[in-house]
Amino acid sequence: NAGVTQTPKFRILKIGQSMTLQCTQDMNHNYMYWYRQDPGMGLKLIYYSVGAGITDKGEVPNGYNVSRSTTEDFPLRLELAAPSQTSVYFCASSYESGGPSYEQYFGPGTRLTVT
Amino acid sequence: KNQVEQSPQSLIILEGKNCTLQCNYTVSPFSNLRWYKQDTGRGPVSLTIMTFSENTKSNGRYTATLDADTKQSSLHITASQLSDSASYICVVSARISGTYKYIFGTGTRLKVLA
Repeated sequence: NAGVTQTPKFRILKIGQSMTLQCTQDMNHNYMYWYRQDPGMGLKLIYYSVGAGITDKGEVPNGYNVSRSTTEDFPLRLELAAPSQTSVYFCASSYESGGPSYEQYFGPGTRLTVT
Repeated sequence: KNQVEQSPQSLIILEGKNCTLQCNYTVSPFSNLRWYKQDTGRGPVSLTIMTFSENTKSNGRYTATLDADTKQSSLHITASQLSDSASYICVVSARISGTYKYIFGTGTRLKVLA
């Protein structure tokens, strides 16, 4: 049981390039989330999904896209990378959303630099 | 505005000492409060989850308290160890328009020295 895995661990992009951050969970969780963590700031929700085929925007979705074709995978796509997208990106999952009985499990993060 | 504020921003203590981290929130409607530990270069890991009816919850040397009236929580670490060096994040969950939202604090960075 690997939990939540993310690839790559690190990436440097040039302005205008695109890339996909991969996220996989093996816990059969319904909910999956993408967050970004900027230095000195709290985690900000980019997108989330309540199940395969269903996604919704979080607080900071501009410049990102997601899809969820399977329960396990929730990739995050960056189109036309900008320096403002330099951040650490975390994927998370939970069986249900937010209630006190449901833990949220985080992946190890992807550190992205856009120059 | 829903907000979670943590203090202090950073803290340095000697190994074996106790410490207490604070979390104040203005989140409504409140569902539950979580404390996470985030080691450098890792994702957050859950320590405790508390509802409004729970005043105290422990996880080993970590004890969280919650005062829902004053909207304050604290995380007490007893007999600190070098491995406690990490960021500690307070997160409040609110049920808004039928869905749960997580509001994250900015964290307290703790360094434990030998």
